[in-house]
Amino acid sequence: DLQMTQSPSSVSASVGDRVTITCRASRHINTWLAWYQQKPGKAPELLIYAASSLQGGVPSRFSGSGSGTDFTLTISGLQPEDFATYYCQQANSFPFTFGPGTRVDIK
Amino acid sequence: QVQLQESGPGLVKPSETLSLTCTVSGGSVSSGSYYWNWIRQPPGKGLEWVGYIYYTGATNYNPSLKSRVTISADTSKNQFSLQLSSVTAADTAVYYCARADQGLDYWGPGSLVTVSS
Repeated sequence: DLQMTQSPSSVSASVGDRVTITCRASRHINTWLAWYQQKPGKAPELLIYAASSLQGGVPSRFSGSGSGTDFTLTISGLQPEDFATYYCQQANSFPFTFGPGTRVDIK
Repeated sequence: QVQLQESGPGLVKPSETLSLTCTVSGGSVSSGSYYWNWIRQPPGKGLEWVGYIYYTGATNYNPSLKSRVTISADTSKNQFSLQLSSVTAADTAVYYCARADQGLDYWGPGSLVTVSS
């Protein structure tokens, strides 16, 4: 299976901070990567697809970049509602796999 | 607006079969070139893709579960279902159904299934 890793596993940040999360694939996946936000007790929500395309209704402070094996999710100007866990997911090959998650909490 | 809702027993005995249904509204499981997925999340852990059924009826499963998983669709009810056989405590998880277009764009709220005697 294609393995996904994320760093950091957790980050403490303040409202207004810029937060960057990295996702790495164990082999080349072109831009077949999505990012999700999950809050406790809720289903994940799609933020970014195709590595850098913003899902409709998602605030523009979220952005994604990368291709191949290395990807980043950036939150520019962290808001109180952004404290959550973030997952990357590859859709290049079966089985689809997720990263282990990055928890963003309040400093 | 597409909405998905999981339903099924919250408690299953070991060695039995877990059965869940996802009811879709605002969209059709038999059209639109979408993939209809099941994803699960053990308590306190990460996400695992279980498998999907395509609008044509084609299926694809996670090899780690393949021998135990069946995903089917009932187009007359606009539902798709998951069956997972020979369950153990390791199958205890919140099970989500989700639509895939460009990413998994619509999710159900999730259904906690506990495997215990």
